[in-house]
Amino acid sequence: DIQMTQSPASLSASLGETVTIECRASEDIYNGLAWYQQKPGKSPQLLIYNANSLHTGVPSRFSGSGSGTQYSLKINSLQSEDVASYFCQQYYDYPPTFGAGTKLELK
Amino acid sequence: EVQLVESGGGLVQPGRSLKLSCAASGFTFSNYYMAWVRQAPKKGLEWVATISTSGSRTYYPDSVKGRFTISRDNAKSSLYLQMNSLKSEDTATYYCARQPGTFDYWGQGVMVTVSS
Repeated sequence: DIQMTQSPASLSASLGETVTIECRASEDIYNGLAWYQQKPGKSPQLLIYNANSLHTGVPSRFSGSGSGTQYSLKINSLQSEDVASYFCQQYYDYPPTFGAGTKLELK
Repeated sequence: EVQLVESGGGLVQPGRSLKLSCAASGFTFSNYYMAWVRQAPKKGLEWVATISTSGSRTYYPDSVKGRFTISRDNAKSSLYLQMNSLKSEDTATYYCARQPGTFDYWGQGVMVTVSS
């Protein structure tokens, strides 16, 4: 199975700040990488697919980048509604596997 | 608008069975692979099962293989998860998700608690 290592586990940032979350795969996943946002008590919502494509309706302050085994999610100009947990997921190979998550809080 | 609505969760004793359902609307259900993903309390996400468009192919992780069965009824735009021989570690919120590669739309989830 492909292991997904996500960092940091938690993050505290101020409104308007730029935040970056990293995800490393145990082998090359050829951009088969998605990012999800999960707000407390809600289901996950797709943000980014194919490592850098924005899902329908997702604000442009979210962006994804990376290749090979290293990927990142960047949130520009942090808003209060961005407080959530974020998960990466590889879908290059079965079984699909998720990172452990990053909990983003406001400072 | 894509909508996925799960039902059938609840409290069940270890070793017993439970069947989850997911009603889909807002898209052509028969054109998409579908999946179940679960999340144990305060934990991360774990993929549980995937089914092809026709239902002829199914995929499971080792943790549920032989105990869980995913199925679909394209005429009813419905997805199912039959869970047998339930264990305490199956306690989680179960989400139905559309899977065109990634999981692009998710239901609100249904809680399954396995406890005596």
